[in-house]
Amino acid sequence: DSQMTQSPSSLSASVGDRVTITCQASHDVSKFLNWYQQKPGKAPKLLIYDASNLETGVPSRFRGSGSGTDFIFTISSLQPEDFGTYYCQQYKNFTLFGPGTKVDVK
Amino acid sequence: QVQLQEWGPGLVKPSETLSLTCGVSGGSISSYYWTWIRQPPGRGLEYIGYTYYTGATNYSPSLRSRVTMSRDTSKNQISLKLRSVTAADTAVYYCAKANYCVGDSCDWFDTWGQGTLVTVSS
Repeated sequence: DSQMTQSPSSLSASVGDRVTITCQASHDVSKFLNWYQQKPGKAPKLLIYDASNLETGVPSRFRGSGSGTDFIFTISSLQPEDFGTYYCQQYKNFTLFGPGTKVDVK
Repeated sequence: QVQLQEWGPGLVKPSETLSLTCGVSGGSISSYYWTWIRQPPGRGLEYIGYTYYTGATNYSPSLRSRVTMSRDTSKNQISLKLRSVTAADTAVYYCAKANYCVGDSCDWFDTWGQGTLVTVSS
């Protein structure tokens, strides 16, 4: 059965820190991998599509990279408004979300 | 700019049918693909399926036997029906726009409704 894993499952970081989240697919998904941010009580927001493309209006401190089975999402300098849960999503053969990484700002 | 808004009963009894509607404003549903995604309380996101303005649909294999999606182009609305619900179907249900879907796959979801919580309980 295909699955997505994310690590860490949660993290706490200070304003200005560099934050890195990884997403691993159980099979090759090429570049068909997206990243979302979700804040409590709100709908997810698309940040990155096709592994590395920044959605319009999303700050450049958010960055995505990777292909195949291993992907990295980075916030170059964490801001107070960046708290929330981050999800990866693949769409190579079917649509599947990762379990999420909760980010707290210290 | 396209906006989405879901509505429907917030409480459904076990074994009954969950019915939700999503209204699309700021654009026509005769473009793009319109999807439903759900999120149980405190848990992750689960893709349910999509409908296209032609009437084409495709559903997640895990829910395929219980789901029906449809669209009303005259009202610019899409709808979701989930039959024989149990407590496991308690979730926030989102409608979301995708640019392209084929088979069991939709590319990315760039516009979302605010979500509506449906609780399954007697």
